[in-house]
Amino acid sequence: AQSVTQLGSHVSVSEGALVLLRCNYSSSVPPYLFWYVQYPNQGLQLLLKYTTGATLVKGINGFEAEFKKSETSFHLTKPSAHMSDAAEYFCAVRRYSTLTFGKGTMLLVSP
Amino acid sequence: KAGVTQTPRYLIKTRGQQVTLSCSPISGHRSVSWYQQTPGQGLQFLFEYFSETQRNKGNFPGRFSGRQFSNSRSEMNVSTLELGDSALYLCASSQDMNTEAFFGQGTRLTVV
Repeated sequence: AQSVTQLGSHVSVSEGALVLLRCNYSSSVPPYLFWYVQYPNQGLQLLLKYTTGATLVKGINGFEAEFKKSETSFHLTKPSAHMSDAAEYFCAVRRYSTLTFGKGTMLLVSP
Repeated sequence: KAGVTQTPRYLIKTRGQQVTLSCSPISGHRSVSWYQQTPGQGLQFLFEYFSETQRNKGNFPGRFSGRQFSNSRSEMNVSTLELGDSALYLCASSQDMNTEAFFGQGTRLTVV
């Protein structure tokens, strides 16, 4: 069975600061990993994905994530936070047709 | 390319009624999945359809059902609504298994 743990239900940063959102997964098979972002009253928008190949994955809006098999982690980072990054972020692992999501991390950005 | 379209966006129903939600996937995508999002339980998988066949089902009661049409559009139905069914229902489309899924804006269902 797959599972995803996101450390920290809320993360606060100042505008211009580094963003680090943590995600650990468990999977019985090589994982397909994703990060999604959700703005209020919206659906989920795909930020980036890891399937195979390069372990450092670049996504939209300046986000990137590194797949570390030894640590079973897939943390999301952005060098410099922008006010528009304030939203809820979800890490997910996919096996066949099912996505298993973490509980989400709300990113708060202060000026 | 148009994204995933869900209708309606908002819905208010009374306990005991039934409801049907609709999802039109991205053109060319044959897999449609449904998820329920609530503050308490987070995002939970309901079921997935591929080429009109249900391939996978989550742990929800039989009141929750779905179907997919030959044009890949999908509907989900909830019968005998309960207050606990109030949630954001999200539809996702993908080309197949283990590929990225793209989500619609969701349908916000409120049961009163």
